[in-house]
Amino acid sequence: EVELVESGGGLVQPGGFLRLSCAVSGIRVSDKHMNWVRQTPGKGPEWVSTIFSGGGIHYTDSVKGRFTISRHTSQNMVYLQMNNLRPEDTAVYYCTTCDSGRLAFDLWGQGTVVTVPS
Amino acid sequence: DTQMTQSPSTVSASVGDRVVITCRATQSISNWLAWYQQKPGRAPKLLIYRTSTLQTGVPSRFSGSGSGTEFTLTISSLQPDDFATYYCQQYSGYVFTFGPGTKVDFK
Repeated sequence: EVELVESGGGLVQPGGFLRLSCAVSGIRVSDKHMNWVRQTPGKGPEWVSTIFSGGGIHYTDSVKGRFTISRHTSQNMVYLQMNNLRPEDTAVYYCTTCDSGRLAFDLWGQGTVVTVPS
Repeated sequence: DTQMTQSPSTVSASVGDRVVITCRATQSISNWLAWYQQKPGRAPKLLIYRTSTLQTGVPSRFSGSGSGTEFTLTISSLQPDDFATYYCQQYSGYVFTFGPGTKVDFK
């Protein structure tokens, strides 16, 4: 059974940083496109970043230059380093998977909460 | 980037009703259009991908269709477990975009 477990969320002041982790079991992180998707209460999900199985990386415009996605294949982990955090980054952050046949997020973790007060 | 809209924002329905939700894109997209169901406090759940392909385990009362800039999610006979919020999502040019959601609640 595939499981994604996020950790690393918390309360951080504007300008601060956090590193989110996603522990993956049941699949290899190098075999799927791994993603971070965030959601604020009452709003639709927002894609943040993808590391494709081939290693290509993409970000939504609002986090470019501040967030960095990475994976550690031997530990089967995915990370999101978030620097220079802003109040608008406050959200539940989900680790998700997708593949080239769907280009949709088929598996989701339980989420980790990031709060940046204004 | 392509933006997505959904209509209606809320639909009030009863068990057994046919429900249709529309998703529109600001520019023509390929068939990389997906639908999700989300219940309070839970992560979204993938229902349909590639416009019309049901994810494994999703009941056949859910169906998707569309092309170009207009896509629909149809629930043929609403069941108690279907009261939730539904989101569409597109992929193009290495960017994923979600719609704002449609809440299906009790009439």
